[in-house]
Amino acid sequence: EPEVTQTPSHQVTQMGQEVILRCVPISNHLYFYWYRQILGQKVEFLVSFYNNEISEKSEIFDDQFSVERPDGSNFTLKIRSTKLEDSAMYFCARSRDTDTQYFGPGTRLTVL
Amino acid sequence: SQQGEEDPQALSIQEGENATMNCSYKTSINNLQWYRQNSGRGLVHLILIRSNEREKHSGRLRVTLDTSKKSSSLLITASRAADTASYFCATVPWVTGGGNKLTFGTGTQLKVEL
Repeated sequence: EPEVTQTPSHQVTQMGQEVILRCVPISNHLYFYWYRQILGQKVEFLVSFYNNEISEKSEIFDDQFSVERPDGSNFTLKIRSTKLEDSAMYFCARSRDTDTQYFGPGTRLTVL
Repeated sequence: SQQGEEDPQALSIQEGENATMNCSYKTSINNLQWYRQNSGRGLVHLILIRSNEREKHSGRLRVTLDTSKKSSSLLITASRAADTASYFCATVPWVTGGGNKLTFGTGTQLKVEL
């Protein structure tokens, strides 16, 4: 199974601070995704990214969130001003096509 | 009910027994996938079944799909303690022009006891 790495594994931040979560996917994968999972709840889709632009986003993905591939390999999720309710596990995923998505181990974000 | 609901919510069995988990969904799908999640860890892809397929096997896993009932089942045969995890179904919608976001179900917590 192709590997995806995410950094950091755990991020603690104060409410109102900006955080950047990073994902390093396989270079020949074209589709990238971010999902989140609030403790004890479902995994929720945030955004998909294809050909260096957002292809789809959910209602959760409001103006506080942004994604980019700053150097053509890393894939980042930025939360501009964190809220308590942003505390969750954030998963990066990627796929070669529209089928199987491979997930990273996640970043646990704790907002105090 | 919401898109992608599994039942039972929790299942406890003895090692060697079979475990069956069910998933229901509401909209038309392109494919349905099953994932496993060990406590606090990432999601591991198990198997994908397309909307034109009825059954698929992979090792000890057997997945069925009934698009008329909008339901799927995951069977794990001869379970092992290492199978203890949460299992999620996730659907990819049938959307003109593509679109491949996964919509996850609520999950089944499987515990396999020695």
